Amino acid sequence: SQTIHQWPATLVQPVGSPLSLECTVEGTSNPNLYWYRQAAGRGLQLLFYSVGIGQISSEVPQNLSASRPQDRQFILSSKKLLLSDSGFYLCAWSVSLLYEQYFGPGTRLTVT
Amino acid sequence: AQTVTQSQPEMSVQEAETVTLSCTYDTSESDYYLFWYKQPPSRQMILVIRQEAYKQQNATENRFSVNFQKAAKSFSLKISDSQLGDAAMYFCAGDDKIIFGKGTRLHILP
Repeated sequence: SQTIHQWPATLVQPVGSPLSLECTVEGTSNPNLYWYRQAAGRGLQLLFYSVGIGQISSEVPQNLSASRPQDRQFILSSKKLLLSDSGFYLCAWSVSLLYEQYFGPGTRLTVT
Repeated sequence: AQTVTQSQPEMSVQEAETVTLSCTYDTSESDYYLFWYKQPPSRQMILVIRQEAYKQQNATENRFSVNFQKAAKSFSLKISDSQLGDAAMYFCAGDDKIIFGKGTRLHILP
């Protein structure tokens, strides 16, 4: 069966510091991968998605970037965090861009 | 795509009763999928139910069913025999790369 991991679960970082969140999927090959951000009490905002290694599409221009160095690894990064980057970050995978997504447990990021 | 709209920010239902959560969407695609996700307090997103747009029959998963009206672009979720564990945020979603609505917070009253 497929599983998706995210770490860390919780992160507190000062403004201006770098960020690296990692997501890995097990039990499937060539998944579509996604990064979402969820502000408190709100819906999901799609940040990036990837249909293959090295292929990244950005949905919202901002202070973040994503990379996919391996088939089942998706990384969300920032060189300098802003206060507005605080939120709950979710990674997900799917077989196709049209099919249902399966989500990781999320990372709660607080920028102080 | 497109938009997904959930017009009910919060709803409450008595335990064991039935509740319907509303969702409308807009798409130019002829073939697409629609989903309902549940996000409990743990914030883990869980797929509740899936509907394929080309299928006339409404999807059902145990106590969860949908009322899919393709012409009206409406996709509501019905929860029967509501249980305390159903308390969560519910998100309607669909279309290319999955567009999410803003969610409906469901409270279950004991």
